[in-house]
Amino acid sequence: DAGVIQSPRHEVTEMGQEVTLRCKPISGHNSLFWYRQTMMRGLELLIYFNNNVPIDDSGMPEDRFSAKMPNASFSTLKIQPSEPRDSAVYFCASSLGTLGNQPQHFGDGTRLSIL
Amino acid sequence: AQTVTQSQPEMSVQEAETVTLSCTYDTSESNYYLFWYKQPPSRQMILVIRQEAYKQQNATENRFSVNFQKAAKSFSLKISDSQLGDTAMYFCAFMKGGNQGAQKLVFGQGTRLTINP
Repeated sequence: DAGVIQSPRHEVTEMGQEVTLRCKPISGHNSLFWYRQTMMRGLELLIYFNNNVPIDDSGMPEDRFSAKMPNASFSTLKIQPSEPRDSAVYFCASSLGTLGNQPQHFGDGTRLSIL
Repeated sequence: AQTVTQSQPEMSVQEAETVTLSCTYDTSESNYYLFWYKQPPSRQMILVIRQEAYKQQNATENRFSVNFQKAAKSFSLKISDSQLGDTAMYFCAFMKGGNQGAQKLVFGQGTRLTINP
């Protein structure tokens, strides 16, 4: 079975540009999570969705970040405008979250570099 | 808010040895789950083992086992007969339980484990 699919795997862009990261969760999973990993802050949750509805976006750094989940099989994380401090690895994860006790399965991450 | 602490930034052992990674957490929740994830150089996040807080029995997955001490809020990972492929960053993570749907993971800072030949 296919796991969580993220694209692109790597993204290098200049400061000020719009960046869009994409995620396809595992089929049948109803919860989706966006995490960011940096050396300074480790792994931290940005936002998560249950049944396509955003539940907790308290980790979104600022208004430059936005996330959408238009349907059960696709989500995007957008940064506009991007800044060098946004450079990090961004992970998407999904789970069968009905009972709140299911493990999260991670994609391979997108390494984002803002020059 | 929950916090997870991994006090060992780095560890190194010889192949075939047993190694224990430490993790402590702080929470006021009574229903929760604990996880260990492995992140090899390939960057993948791989679930190693999980523990339900309401279970007294320690979880085991082949060479991986945990020592769950609920009162002490401690959740250590033991790797037996370590192999070169175990070289990775290991993250301890906490997830609140309940019937409100999925919850977020709160991660520790990680322990970089190196298995030497």
